[in-house]
Amino acid sequence: DTEVTQTPKHLVMGMTNKKSLKCEQHMGHRAMYWYKQKAKKPPELMFVYSYEKLSINESVPSRFSPECPNSSLLNLHLHALQPEDSALYLCATGRQGSRTNEKLFFGSGTQLSVL
Amino acid sequence: SQQGEEDPQALSIQEGENATMNCSYKTSINNLQWYRQNSGRGLVHLILIRSNEREKHSGRLRVTLDTSKKSSSLLITASRAADTASYFCATDEGSETSGSRLTFGEGTQLTVNP
Repeated sequence: DTEVTQTPKHLVMGMTNKKSLKCEQHMGHRAMYWYKQKAKKPPELMFVYSYEKLSINESVPSRFSPECPNSSLLNLHLHALQPEDSALYLCATGRQGSRTNEKLFFGSGTQLSVL
Repeated sequence: SQQGEEDPQALSIQEGENATMNCSYKTSINNLQWYRQNSGRGLVHLILIRSNEREKHSGRLRVTLDTSKKSSSLLITASRAADTASYFCATDEGSETSGSRLTFGEGTQLTVNP
């Protein structure tokens, strides 16, 4: 079982809605990631938080807004999404936020559909 | 941007056979990792090989890395039906300040027939 918990598992939203995806971990990991994965494609990096600070934003549109309120929680706020934003959104964690050679631990993802 | 390319895109074998997947990349890396994903689920880390390593084993898995050719291979021996999944290579281009920054290849869909 994964120790990275994502909620909700499924989400359907309209283009005018505001919703949030949540990710929680209690492993004491200090790096947290959001990835987006379209069907039959590889995950694509969106954001990286290192020690609760945003360290990487892969030029993601502003309709996606990440937030890391504390070391255990990572949110992704969604507003005015487009149908092409429909995808599996994956949260991942890494043990340390300031080193490479780290394996990542993934949650099961939130399957998002934008109507 | 995706820098990892994998082949084959799909592989179908019989239980007990070996499965080999290949991955090529373009830039300098700190390490290369392999992950497995069952349909619609999260990814599970399988093995990590550092840029100064050439071969690594873990159970039925064997990974090689050739930095001169910028390529890696994953061998699964004595495959089982439960090995059916998508397999992704991922290159780490992170820094000491950002932490690991993985870029995933296109993936290989492995089907192991009972």
